[in-house]
Amino acid sequence: EDKVVQSPLSLVVHEGDTVTLNCSYEVTNFRSLLWYKQEKKAPTFLFMLTSSGIEKKSGRLSSILDKKELFSILNITATQTGDSAVYLCAVRNNAGNMLTFGGGTRLMVKP
Amino acid sequence: NAGVTQTPKFRILKIGQSMTLQCAQDMNHNYMYWYRQDPGMGLKLIYYSVGAGITDKGEVPNGYNVSRSTTEDFPLRLELAAPSQTSVYFCASRSRDRGRDPYNSPLHFGNGTRLTVT
Repeated sequence: EDKVVQSPLSLVVHEGDTVTLNCSYEVTNFRSLLWYKQEKKAPTFLFMLTSSGIEKKSGRLSSILDKKELFSILNITATQTGDSAVYLCAVRNNAGNMLTFGGGTRLMVKP
Repeated sequence: NAGVTQTPKFRILKIGQSMTLQCAQDMNHNYMYWYRQDPGMGLKLIYYSVGAGITDKGEVPNGYNVSRSTTEDFPLRLELAAPSQTSVYFCASRSRDRGRDPYNSPLHFGNGTRLTVT
């Protein structure tokens, strides 16, 4: 059974801090790993990673995958209150049709 | 282009009642999914569909049924609602991009249906 574990469960920081969110996984025949941000409603897509060592970057957010050690990190620099959300990590195996989600990391950024 | 639309937004059911959660997408996506999200937890897959007329079970299908008669619609049916089905339900869809890896398109989510069974 595929498994995704995220840490920490929750995190409280102040504006301007840098945070690192972790995602480790066990999946048969890995295909891709995805990060989503969930505020009050639907998750919104952030990144999809398929290759080790290649950083994906979007503004202050970046993510990297290590397929040997079976984990990914999501970095947020110069955090803002608008970054407060639950961040979800999910993996897709070679069967392709299903995503297995982790439990999420709840980030709160205080002014 | 509305994306993925779910109705209703909220619903309270009594134990043993039944209802259908509606999901429609206007992006011509082949793949559609139903997830549930319990408080403080990640998303669990209930059912999914790879195209009209084809459905398959996910991780937690018990107590639910689905149908996919058209590409656009993927309703989720709850029969004999139980308190354990109190959750937020998300419908999602994704494309099959023939130009790239067909399994690596991201999910587009609806805004969810919050269901309480008492």
